Amino acid sequence: KNQVEQSPQSLIILEGKNCTLQCNYTVSPFSNLRWYKQDTGRGPVSLTIMTFSENTKSNGRYTATLDADTKQSSLHITASQLSDSASYICVVSAGAGSYQLTFGKGTKLSVIP
Amino acid sequence: GAGVSQSPSNKVTEKGKDVELRCDPISGHTALYWYRQSLGQGLEFLIYFQGNSAPDKSGLPSDRFSAERTGGSVSTLTIQRTQQEDSAVYLCASSPDRGHGYTFGSGTRLTVV
Repeated sequence: KNQVEQSPQSLIILEGKNCTLQCNYTVSPFSNLRWYKQDTGRGPVSLTIMTFSENTKSNGRYTATLDADTKQSSLHITASQLSDSASYICVVSAGAGSYQLTFGKGTKLSVIP
Repeated sequence: GAGVSQSPSNKVTEKGKDVELRCDPISGHTALYWYRQSLGQGLEFLIYFQGNSAPDKSGLPSDRFSAERTGGSVSTLTIQRTQQEDSAVYLCASSPDRGHGYTFGSGTRLTVV
């Protein structure tokens, strides 16, 4: 069964600090991995998308890494801001051109002043 | 439109009543998806529409759930004889093609009392 596990479930950090969120998956065949940010009451918004051959991808202060051998990904947030408070969801797509996505339950990040 | 629009944003209904949720995808997007996000759970695939092809209904949890997409654009998700376990956020997404460039709406929060 395809699964995506995220950790930690929730995280509280001080504004300006860095943090790293983890994602482990058992999805086969693997096509791509995406990180989404979901603000409260809003739909998920894409941050990064990585295919099998990509090890890292950045989007501003967000940097995602992918190790396809160990089936692990991380999302690193640098110099956190209050607006980074949201849920971060790891999503894995199975098979090229597949529309079937497997979603993690997300990590709820709270950035406090 | 500029984004995926869903209505209503919130819906409270009595157990046993029918509800209709609406999704207006991005103009020109041929693919449309419905997901359900229950409290503390990852997004759950419900149904997928692609152009004029027969929809993939494999994710619908019961025969009380149905969806249609008229004219390849607006979609309606209908839940008949609602139950308390149907309470969740229902998210719609569209993409220009299968498996690429998802854009999510803000969702409809359904509460069955």
